[in-house]
Amino acid sequence: DAGVTQSPTHLIKTRGQHVTLRCSPISGHKSVSWYQQVLGQGPQFIFQYYEKEERGRGNFPDRFSARQFPNYSSELNVNALLLGDSALYLCASELFPPNAYNEQFFGPGTRLTVL
Amino acid sequence: GENVEQHPSTLSVQEGDSAVIKCTYSDSASNYFPWYKQELGKRPQLIIDIRSNVGEKKDQRIAVTLNKTAKHFSLHITETQPEDSAVYFCAARSHSGAGSYQLTFGKGTKLSVIP
Repeated sequence: DAGVTQSPTHLIKTRGQHVTLRCSPISGHKSVSWYQQVLGQGPQFIFQYYEKEERGRGNFPDRFSARQFPNYSSELNVNALLLGDSALYLCASELFPPNAYNEQFFGPGTRLTVL
Repeated sequence: GENVEQHPSTLSVQEGDSAVIKCTYSDSASNYFPWYKQELGKRPQLIIDIRSNVGEKKDQRIAVTLNKTAKHFSLHITETQPEDSAVYFCAARSHSGAGSYQLTFGKGTKLSVIP
């Protein structure tokens, strides 16, 4: 079975631009979460979606937005890019509705560099 | 919200020795505690996890212990090998409102196993 997939693998943008990152969950998984991992730090929670509805949002500015499509894939959008947005963006999916006990399965990530 | 502290930030051990990484968490309602291994430029990979209904779990050379009263959990790696060298992250899963359950990660431990 295919795992979580993300595209693109790498991306270089300049300050002020907009970026869209994509994620396809494991087949049958209906929940997707997004994390930002700055170099040298642990991943930080950005968004969680379940059944196309936003279930949770981390402490990120409104420049960050996301959505989930009917096939449960997801997009993360970042507007007005800043140098500090350079990071590895990770998507994770899970089988069951979000709860306190689920394992999340991570994708390979998208490495975003903002110049 | 949840806060996870991880120590040490770096750890060097001789091949064959044991390594211990410790984490504390703040939210007593957290019930799921995974450990991830991350090699440079790659996704976090789940190596072991523990849920709040057990105090210890072992998988070959890796073990995790959980003390819910003290709100701390630890990763133990025995008979370390050079391929164990990586960054290890602990995490805790907690309720973050409106049906959302996010993973909160520690800052990571860079483990170096010296041949």
